[in-house]
Amino acid sequence: AQKITQTQPGMFVQEKEAVTLDCTYDTSDPSYGLFWYKQPSSGEMIFLIYQGSYDQQNATEGRYSLNFQKARKSANLVISASQLGDSAMYFCAMRENDNAGNMLTFGGGTRLMVKP
Amino acid sequence: GAGVSQSPSNKVTEKGKDVELRCDPISGHTALYWYRQSLGQGLEFLIYFQGNSAPDKSGLPSDRFSAERTGGSVSTLTIQRTQQEDSAVYLCASSRKMTGLSYNEQFFGPGTRLTVL
Repeated sequence: AQKITQTQPGMFVQEKEAVTLDCTYDTSDPSYGLFWYKQPSSGEMIFLIYQGSYDQQNATEGRYSLNFQKARKSANLVISASQLGDSAMYFCAMRENDNAGNMLTFGGGTRLMVKP
Repeated sequence: GAGVSQSPSNKVTEKGKDVELRCDPISGHTALYWYRQSLGQGLEFLIYFQGNSAPDKSGLPSDRFSAERTGGSVSTLTIQRTQQEDSAVYLCASSRKMTGLSYNEQFFGPGTRLTVL
C-alpha cells in the first residue's frame, strides 16, 4: 500500500487565489512527521513546512499552511495568494519515528501551474 | 553558508559502464541520505548514513548499487554495470542527527542527472 498519496497529478490556479494540494498518508506509528517540499523546474528540493503528529495546531509558514486532519490521515497544503513563482512540483513526505533511518517517504507529487 | 553539493551535475554513460556520484553534505550534518527520482516521479529512498553507524541500505534496488561515506563527510554512490532503467536524478540530502520527536529538516543538493544510453 502507498504510504503517501497525492491524488492530484496536476492543478491550475489563478494568480492571487488560494489553492489546496491534497496529501493522505498511511502509518501505524503514533509519532511521525509530515513535510512538504517544492521542486521548481530547476530541480532543487525546497523545504516548505513541517507538521508533527503530536502538534496541536496546524503549521503555518508565511503563505503556506498545513490543514492537518489526524483522524482522516490527511495533511493538505494550502497556498494563499498564489504567485507565478509558485508554479512547480509539490511533494508531500512522511518520516516515521520508529524508522531508525528517519528517511522520508515521498508521494508522487502534484504539478501546480499558476495562471496570470 | 554552503549547502549540499553534488557532482557531476550531469552524467551520460553507456550501458554496462560503472559510474560514481559524489555528495558533499553541509558541514556538521551527521546524517546523509541518497534518493533517486525517476522522470515525473517522487523520490525513492536508497541509502542512509548516520555518523559512524552501519548504513541503512534497505532502499538500494540491486547489488549493483553501493555507497560509501568517508570520514563522516563526503559520500560516493557507485552504480556498477549501469542499465537504462538506472537513468534518473540522484539526489543527496543531509541533516543534523535526529533527536526524539524533534524534526531536523533534510537539505537537498541539486542532484546528478544520470542518463544511461
